[in-house]
Amino acid sequence: AQSVAQPEDQVNVAEGNPLTVKCTYSVSGNPYLFWYVQYPNRGLQFLLKYITGDNLVKGSYGFEAEFNKSQTSFHLKKPSALVSDSALYFCAVRDAGYSTLTFGKGTMLLVSP
Amino acid sequence: DGGITQSPKYLFRKEGQNVTLSCEQNLNHDAMYWYRQDPGQGLRLIYYSQIVNDFQKGDIAEGYSVSREKKESFPLTVTSAQKNPTAFYLCASTESPDRGQPQHFGDGTRLSIL
Repeated sequence: AQSVAQPEDQVNVAEGNPLTVKCTYSVSGNPYLFWYVQYPNRGLQFLLKYITGDNLVKGSYGFEAEFNKSQTSFHLKKPSALVSDSALYFCAVRDAGYSTLTFGKGTMLLVSP
Repeated sequence: DGGITQSPKYLFRKEGQNVTLSCEQNLNHDAMYWYRQDPGQGLRLIYYSQIVNDFQKGDIAEGYSVSREKKESFPLTVTSAQKNPTAFYLCASTESPDRGQPQHFGDGTRLSIL
């Protein structure tokens, strides 16, 4: 089975401060890991993915994520938050033996001016 | 521009009525997916299709049906058997899930009960 957990329903950060949105996963094989962002009444937009290789993955809009196999985590990070980063963020995982993605429940990021 | 088009953006269903949500993609992707999004529950997979004329049930297929007669189209029917259909429905596609390609999403259809 594959599963993913986003332990925080909401993360609050001041503009200009670094942000972290947490994600942990469980798979039986090698994971494919993804981060998506959703703005109100819109579909999900792909931010970045980890398939193999370097544990630090860089993506769109200055976001990056670090794959940590021992802690089964894939936290999303950004060095300096913008108010426009305020949105709903989803982590997703696919076990190498599965055909579909499993999404976390989402974390609302609120960046205050 | 290539992408996924979902229509309508808003849809209202009467009791006992079936409604069909449209999903069209011009990305030439093989795999297509339907998800249901409820507040605080993330995305749950309803149905998916990896090739024309073939589709599989996801985690919450009861009360829904799909067809995949053309590569670019994957309509979802919400039947009267679905007792709680109010939700935001998202369609997605991907070129090759086996190679870890990300899914591309449409902008959703919001379904409500009259």
